[in-house]
Formats: sequence, C-alpha cells, structure tokens
Amino acid sequence: AQSVTQPDIHITVSEGASLELRCNYSYGATPYLFWYVQSPGQGLQLLLKYFSGDTLVQGIKGFEAEFKRSQSSFNLRKPSVHWSDAAEYFCAVGAQGAQKLVFGQGTRLTINP
Amino acid sequence: EAGVAQSPRYKIIEKRQSVAFWCNPISGHATLYWYQQILGQGPKLLIQFQNNGVVDDSQLPKDRFSAERLKGVDSTLKIQPAKLEDSAVYLCASSSGLAGGPGNEQFFGPGTRLTVL
Repeated sequence: AQSVTQPDIHITVSEGASLELRCNYSYGATPYLFWYVQSPGQGLQLLLKYFSGDTLVQGIKGFEAEFKRSQSSFNLRKPSVHWSDAAEYFCAVGAQGAQKLVFGQGTRLTINP
Repeated sequence: EAGVAQSPRYKIIEKRQSVAFWCNPISGHATLYWYQQILGQGPKLLIQFQNNGVVDDSQLPKDRFSAERLKGVDSTLKIQPAKLEDSAVYLCASSSGLAGGPGNEQFFGPGTRLTVL
C-alpha cells in the first residue's frame, strides 16, 4: 500500500523568501504524485502533478516540484512566496493512476510580512 | 464551468443522531469520491463511485456510514448514528476519468464541516 510523509507540520517563511516543502512517498510501482493547496474553508486545489517524463514539474501560482526516485521524494518549491500563499499544502500519491489518492498529513505554511 | 457543490457547509449534531451530506459533481464527471478529513490530517478516501457503482469502499465504516449515487450524478453520504470521532470535514471530489485511468485530476468541493457533540 502506498503512503506519504510530510515531515514538516508547520513552516513559517518571510514574504519574498524561497520555499521548499518536503514530501516522501512509499509505493511499489511507478508513482503518480500530486501537490494540492487548501485555503481555510476551501476545498483542495491541484497545484501540479507528476506522472512521467521530465522530473521537474511546473505548476500554477509559480510552484514547481522535483521528482527524485532515488530519494522517494517529491518536494515542492517556490522561489519567492507571497502573503497569499499562506495555506495548507498536501502531497498525495496515486495508485491505479490518479483514481485512488493517499494524502500526507499536510504542511501549514505561514507567511511573515 | 461550475465546480463541485456540497451542502450543507456546516452541521452540528449530537452523538447518536443521524446526518446526511449532499454532493453534486461537475457535469459529466463519471467518478465521484467522498473523503474524510480530520483536523490536522490529510483527507482519507471513504468511498469511490464509477457512475452509480461502487469501485472502492474499503475504508468506509459500513456499520454507520452509507453512501449512494443514484442515476450516476448526485451523491449522498449518511452517518447513522454519529460518534464523537466522526467530527471532521467531509470532502466530495469528482473526476472525468474511468477507474484505473491515468492522470485524471480530482476536483474538490468546499466540504461539509461536521461537529458531533
């Protein structure tokens, strides 16, 4: 069975600083990997996804993620954060394509002005 | 394009009462999911429908939870009787792909926040 670990429960960064959120997965086959963002009171919005090909994936809102098979990681990055990026971020791994997602416990991002 | 709709947005009940949540997926989406998100945790899949058939309900507590998707469109999730540990946000999602198909994005609704007292 697949699983996802997000080691950081809460991260605080200053506005304009760079960001990296960590995600480690466990899955026996080729993973389908996703990053979602959840703002307070909102549903989840897909930031980006990886299925195959280029291991550096570009997403919406200036986010990118890099798949590293040797490290079983799919870390999310952004070169310069904005106050509007404050939210909860979830990494997920898909089995059977994207039809069954297993989520990590999430990382809450706080932005200091 | 309208998104996934859910109602109610909030519900407060006492333990042992029953409650029902409603979800209307994006038009034309064949696959519908119900997730439970407990505070401080990621969403956990409860049940997945393909049209009006159940694909996966392995994590649904069937002694108290039930779900249906009549006519392959709207869906309802019911809890009867509710327990304190059922307090959570219940998220509905839909996707256009068939079960087992690769890469189909799941679109999430805003969720229903349930508080059981």
